[in-house]
Amino acid sequence: EADIYQTPRYLVIGTGKKITLECSQTMGHDKMYWYQQDPGMELHLIHYSYGVNSTEKGDLSSESTVSRIRTEHFPLTLESARPSHTSQYLCASSERVYYGYTFGSGTRLTVV
Amino acid sequence: DQQVKQNSPSLSVQEGRISILNCDYTNSMFDYFLWYKKYPAEGPTFLISISSIKDKNEDGRFTVFLNKSAKHLSLHIVPSQPGDSAVYFCAAGSTSYDKVIFGPGTSLSVIP
Repeated sequence: EADIYQTPRYLVIGTGKKITLECSQTMGHDKMYWYQQDPGMELHLIHYSYGVNSTEKGDLSSESTVSRIRTEHFPLTLESARPSHTSQYLCASSERVYYGYTFGSGTRLTVV
Repeated sequence: DQQVKQNSPSLSVQEGRISILNCDYTNSMFDYFLWYKKYPAEGPTFLISISSIKDKNEDGRFTVFLNKSAKHLSLHIVPSQPGDSAVYFCAAGSTSYDKVIFGPGTSLSVIP
């Protein structure tokens, strides 16, 4: 049973729409992450948070924004979706990274 | 510049034989390494990790070997099973910061 939940699993949306990808975890982890992955490519870190009211941009520049108002919730928002945003978005959390991230099932986003 | 490299995009192995997945890294600051397994349409699952103070870590059928002088690690799966067919990601991190760099992945097919 998953301890980290992402919704929706799949989303097809038109250019210019605002979208929010949801991520929630029940493990009480302080550290949470958003990764972006294109098929056959590595996972790129786009945002991370070490706790409530803490958010940082990752190694890959992204037009998305995140918030961390509650420990268990780390949503990602795109104000105006574009076809270049088409990708898989993976949310993860960890107690300590050496122990491994727990990933959600991902959201596959297609912008048409 | 890729800091974590997995030069074999794919690998096919007969059921019951050994699978060896390789990973190279360039940053000598990395002090722990992780392997993740990913099925299609799911998030990655943590498999095994190794600290830079060790050269081997074993967990059931999975063993990770680390050669620091060569900046190389490998994941051995013995015996390989059809359910092991998935994409395997190598990842590396530093205790200085709680986030990791992922490689591009190797797709393993275990043939019955």
